[in-house]
Amino acid sequence: DGGITQSPKYLFRKEGQNVTLSCEQNLNHDAMYWYRQDPGQGLRLIYYSQIVNDFQKGDIAEGYSVSREKKESFPLTVTSAQKNPTAFYLCASRNRRDIGNTEAFFGQGTRLTVV
Amino acid sequence: DQQVKQNSPSLSVQEGRISILNCDYTNSMFDYFLWYKKYPAEGPTFLISISSIKDKNEDGRFTVFLNKSAKHLSLHIVPSQPGDSAVYFCAARGAGGTSYGKLTFGQGTILTVHP
Repeated sequence: DGGITQSPKYLFRKEGQNVTLSCEQNLNHDAMYWYRQDPGQGLRLIYYSQIVNDFQKGDIAEGYSVSREKKESFPLTVTSAQKNPTAFYLCASRNRRDIGNTEAFFGQGTRLTVV
Repeated sequence: DQQVKQNSPSLSVQEGRISILNCDYTNSMFDYFLWYKKYPAEGPTFLISISSIKDKNEDGRFTVFLNKSAKHLSLHIVPSQPGDSAVYFCAARGAGGTSYGKLTFGQGTILTVHP
């Protein structure tokens, strides 16, 4: 089945450690996105990528890094520089080639907890 | 600066009545507006979208209205059903320049439909 997969669903990290969240899609989508959700704050954009080997900072990129070496994959690294990393992280992808196509498909999310 | 705002954190509606969810935006450089529905600990699912050149789009029980002069959009659900209870997010897609393809979300509105 085609879709977008985030792993793991739950992740625990010790303070001061980097951690990488996985996002894979087999929808042949060019564009991919990372958001975090905090209570009462909606979805805030961390990074997004329109094509392979290119990405842009979103609204809250500090303390995060990404790579887009393959079309299918857009991993997000939460570094020790991120002051409040505990959150629910969501990855999405979109087919930007289809004119008028608007919707982004989301993964099921990863709950990151810093202990 | 929040470019997409949902000023009502919650809305409570009786089953069978109309639910109206509102969203305001401050940037005119959006080409599409979207509505998503989200359950706890899951990724958002797409509901309906509207092009910035339209003022109405309808899909079954869901209708989105766009008032460009007021920079306001709304989602109408008629009739409301208990299964519609969820968090609803509006989103806007950047039309060009450095924000091309960027998807910006509002804070969300919790809809509760009572039987």
